[in-house]
Amino acid sequence: AQSVAQPEDQVKVAEGNPLTVKCTYSVSGNPYLFWYVQYPNRGLQFLLKYITGDNLVKGSYGFEAEFNKSQTSFHLKKPSALVSDSALYFCAVRPRMDSSYKLIFGSGTRLLVRP
Amino acid sequence: NAGVTQTPKFQVLKTGQSMTLQCAQDMNHNSMYWYRQDPGMGLRLIYYSASEGTTDKGEVPNGYNVSRLNKREFSLRLESAAPSQTSVYFCALAGIWNTGELFFGEGSRLTVL
Repeated sequence: AQSVAQPEDQVKVAEGNPLTVKCTYSVSGNPYLFWYVQYPNRGLQFLLKYITGDNLVKGSYGFEAEFNKSQTSFHLKKPSALVSDSALYFCAVRPRMDSSYKLIFGSGTRLLVRP
Repeated sequence: NAGVTQTPKFQVLKTGQSMTLQCAQDMNHNSMYWYRQDPGMGLRLIYYSASEGTTDKGEVPNGYNVSRLNKREFSLRLESAAPSQTSVYFCALAGIWNTGELFFGEGSRLTVL
């Protein structure tokens, strides 16, 4: 079965420190990979995606993600965290041969950035 | 999340009651989706519609029906609500790019007592 794992329910970092939110996937082929962010009582907002090419993808708000094919991982990173980055983050994948655009989501990781 | 409008934003139902969640878009996208979000479970696909007049089941379709009568609107109906359907429901659209990131509405919070 195809799945996405976000092994950490919560990640805590101090403001100014680098952050990493982990994501691994089990999907056949070379899927498209996505990160979304959700602020309280809001819908999900698209952050970035990996389609092909450079393994380091840059997205909105200074976030980036590193694709590792051998480890089937797509970890979200930011060099210097802000308190305003505190939110719920979702990793998602879409099998490349699936033309329906359906996304498979991970369970989410809550990021808390301490002042 | 402009372009995707969900109504109502909040609803409380009693077990056995019925209701319809509405989703309307002004982005002219073909594909629309209904997801539910539950704590610790991420988002799970209920139904989706690739185009007007077509619908397909997702991961958790039981207890729901959908209708896509035109390109703009995709409704989700609970015929006989159950407490297990207490959740936050999101409507989403597929973008025009074939890499398919989704655009989400603001959500509808449903409580079934």
